[in-house]
Amino acid sequence: DSGVTQTPKHLITATGQRVTLRCSPRSGDLSVYWYQQSLDQGLQFLIQYYNGEERAKGNILERFSAQQFPDLHSELNLSSLELGDSALYFCASSVVTGESTDTQYFGPGTRLTVL
Amino acid sequence: GQNIDQPTEMTATEGAIVQINCTYQTSGFNGLFWYQQHAGEAPTFLSYNVLDGLEEKGRFSSFLSRSKGYSYLLLKELQMKDSASYLCAVREIPSGSARQLTFGSGTQLTVLP
Repeated sequence: DSGVTQTPKHLITATGQRVTLRCSPRSGDLSVYWYQQSLDQGLQFLIQYYNGEERAKGNILERFSAQQFPDLHSELNLSSLELGDSALYFCASSVVTGESTDTQYFGPGTRLTVL
Repeated sequence: GQNIDQPTEMTATEGAIVQINCTYQTSGFNGLFWYQQHAGEAPTFLSYNVLDGLEEKGRFSSFLSRSKGYSYLLLKELQMKDSASYLCAVREIPSGSARQLTFGSGTQLTVLP
């Protein structure tokens, strides 16, 4: 158990709908990262938040947005869902300090199925 | 941008040693990570290299050559439970507190009895 929690574990919805995925980082970690993993693509970085502010952005679609709240939990919002959005969505967290390691620890993921 | 290459699949026998290679191209290298991922589960951290050389951790070792843009993960005394995907990930020099990783596509290792 990494200490990172994600809910829900599974989500099944229809095209055109909107969903929200939730992540709570490990105790003490200030940064949250969101990744998407589909069968034909590897683990793709979407976005990073640090202490409530966006810090880095990957190939995140405009239909997707995220935020990090004062208690450091984060939500990933996916709207106007398409079949191709079906994937595993992982959240990871790290401390982000001057230490070089700054390992990212991953949550168990949310499996999204769009029908 | 970054380009990370690793073999798609490898097969080895229980008790043997296997080496999984990873090559990368990046404009500003700041560390290489190896993760293990069983199907449908979260990636779990195995090792980290930022300086050249070998890092050993039990049955797992990881090597880095920054000048060659090359790393490998060495797994010794293979067990059936080592059957998983092994992901190589590179971090570029951070801008402020940005710390994102770029992952390779993963190497699916199958351990046979």
